[in-house]
Amino acid sequence: AQKVTQAQTEISVVEKEDVTLDCVYETRDTTYYLFWYKQPPSGELVFLIRRNSFDEQNEISGRYSWNFQKSTSSFNFTITASQVVDSAVYFCALSEVRSGNTPLVFGKGTRLSVIA
Amino acid sequence: EAGVTQSPTHLIKTRGQQATLRCSPISGHTSVYWYQQALGLGLQFLLWYDEGEERNRGNFPPRFSGRQFPNYSSELNVNALELEDSALYLCASSLRGERDEQYFGPGTRLTVT
Repeated sequence: AQKVTQAQTEISVVEKEDVTLDCVYETRDTTYYLFWYKQPPSGELVFLIRRNSFDEQNEISGRYSWNFQKSTSSFNFTITASQVVDSAVYFCALSEVRSGNTPLVFGKGTRLSVIA
Repeated sequence: EAGVTQSPTHLIKTRGQQATLRCSPISGHTSVYWYQQALGLGLQFLLWYDEGEERNRGNFPPRFSGRQFPNYSSELNVNALELEDSALYLCASSLRGERDEQYFGPGTRLTVT
């Protein structure tokens, strides 16, 4: 069965610090997608990234970077030089491809607080 | 381009009543998903509709039901409301099912008293 674990419930950092949010997943599929979403206080989930299981290349987008390692079933998210606006709950999610009808399975989220 | 919209923003009901939540997907999206975000339980998948049909259902009792209309908008109905149904209900839409990014609406906050 598919499962996503975000072991860090809450993280608090001071502005300009780097922070890494951990995500570990479980799946029996060889083909799957991994996602990160951001949920600011307004409640709306904002899509950040999708990565398929065949693409282990790390990705960088501005201050955001993602490290995908199939060997450890991890898909970690790093924010460099954090800002107050980064304060939000971040969710990692997994979608298996085999059946075509598999919904997203979310981790329980990590609440990030960036203090000025 | 307009994003996913949901109505109402807030809904207060008493135990035993019925609640109806509405969602309009992004134009061109045919899939609509419903999630429940209850305090301490994270995001849990409820229902998935595509092209007017229910494609998958999460582990929720039958009193959670819904439908998708020809214009791809969707309704979520919750019958015989219980206190634990109090949650943020999020709707998302996508182009081709789970392979594409799901874009989420702002949610409907349901409070059952």
